[in-house]
Parts: sequence; C-alpha cells; structure tokens
Amino acid sequence: QSVLTQPPSMSGTPGQSVAISCSGSRSNIGSNYVYWYQQFPGTAPKLLIYYNNQRPSGVPDRFSGSKSDTSASLVISGLRSEDEGDYYCAAWDDSLRGGMFGGGTKLTVL
Amino acid sequence: EVKLVESGGTLVQPGGSLRLSCVTSGFTFNTYYMAWVRQAPGKGLEWVANIKQDGSEEYYADSLKGRFTISRDNTKNSVHLQINSLRADDTAVYYCARGEHYDVLLDPWGQGTLVTVSS
Repeated sequence: QSVLTQPPSMSGTPGQSVAISCSGSRSNIGSNYVYWYQQFPGTAPKLLIYYNNQRPSGVPDRFSGSKSDTSASLVISGLRSEDEGDYYCAAWDDSLRGGMFGGGTKLTVL
Repeated sequence: EVKLVESGGTLVQPGGSLRLSCVTSGFTFNTYYMAWVRQAPGKGLEWVANIKQDGSEEYYADSLKGRFTISRDNTKNSVHLQINSLRADDTAVYYCARGEHYDVLLDPWGQGTLVTVSS
C-alpha cells in the first residue's frame, strides 16, 4: 500500500476536465514538493509537473498541478485521447528519508 | 541530448545477485543526483534509491535496505545498482533517472532494464 494515495482509475470524455488527487501526510506532501509523472504502456515515465505546479518545457498548459496542506491535485483540462495513460504523484518523505510514489491512476478517455 | 541507458537485467535464480548499470551522456554527470526506480509487471512505480553527486550520501527505500546498494562512477558517467539475495518480488523493470537534489524530481528516465527472478 502506497504512502501517497491516488484513485486507481478515472475517466473522462474528450474536452472534459479531470482532476487526479494525491493524498499524503505532513512528512511528505506537507513538507516537500509534489511531482507528477505520466506513463504510457511499454514506455518510461515522463516528468509532467515539478515543484507542485511547474511544467517542464514541452508539456502543454492543459496540465496543471496544485498542492494544499497534505494533498495535491493534477488537473487535465480539454481532455484528449492521447492523454490516456497512467499518472503518478511523487514526493520525498522526511520521516522515511526516501522517495514515495502514489499507486498511480489509470486515465481512460472515453 | 541527454541519454540514460540501463543494462544488466536478466533472468536470475532466487537468492542470486545482480548488478545493474546505467551509462549516461549529454550532461555534466557529477552535478546531479542519480536514482533508481522499479516497476513490477502490471504494477506502479516504486522508488528504490538515490545517490548524491559525489557519492557521499545514499538513500534507500525502507523495505529494500540491506539488499540494495547504489553506487556511481563519475569518471565513467555511470550509476549502478547492486541487488543481493534476489527474490521473486524483485522481478521488475528497473529504471535509472537523473535526479535533482535528494528529491523525487526525476528527469529524464532511461528506457529500463528487466530483471526476472525465477527458478
């Protein structure tokens, strides 16, 4: 069981917005930056959001991140079929002195 | 272009040992943390370990401490993961990634190398 909790699956139709939640605790999300990764089947994960809400160059502004207290959220607006994949949140945990990933959310675009 | 290429994954018997390698290019290796992350078949990502730029600090996932050792060779722009006493649940794709500080800002990632533990 992951220290960071995400919904296992979510779905939406093209054009919709979806929000993927990531719940943690004071020692991880509450004290450190949150990161989001995107992964498609058979490929390596890719950094999607860093420092809670920053997008690396090349990531569309349809992707946005936020953090509040011990929770974080990834919002994908204007959903597109190519957004279908797995999304993971991640944060450092000060108590465990190690990195943590959420269990991942499988996003389906209907 | 930044590149990370893992190698060393193979089929190994339970109880055996394995050393994974990740050779990098396209960036100043000794100015970055490096990390390993694994993914069991059909499962999510699991952070394994990371190592400081000069190798003076290492961090490990609690559940993996004692069997896993991360190391780096700044003269060869490479990072390694030694895994001992391999178990079936170590079966996974192992990714290396360039890190930022001790944190979980990992970018980019290699393509991964598959370790299969089975008799």
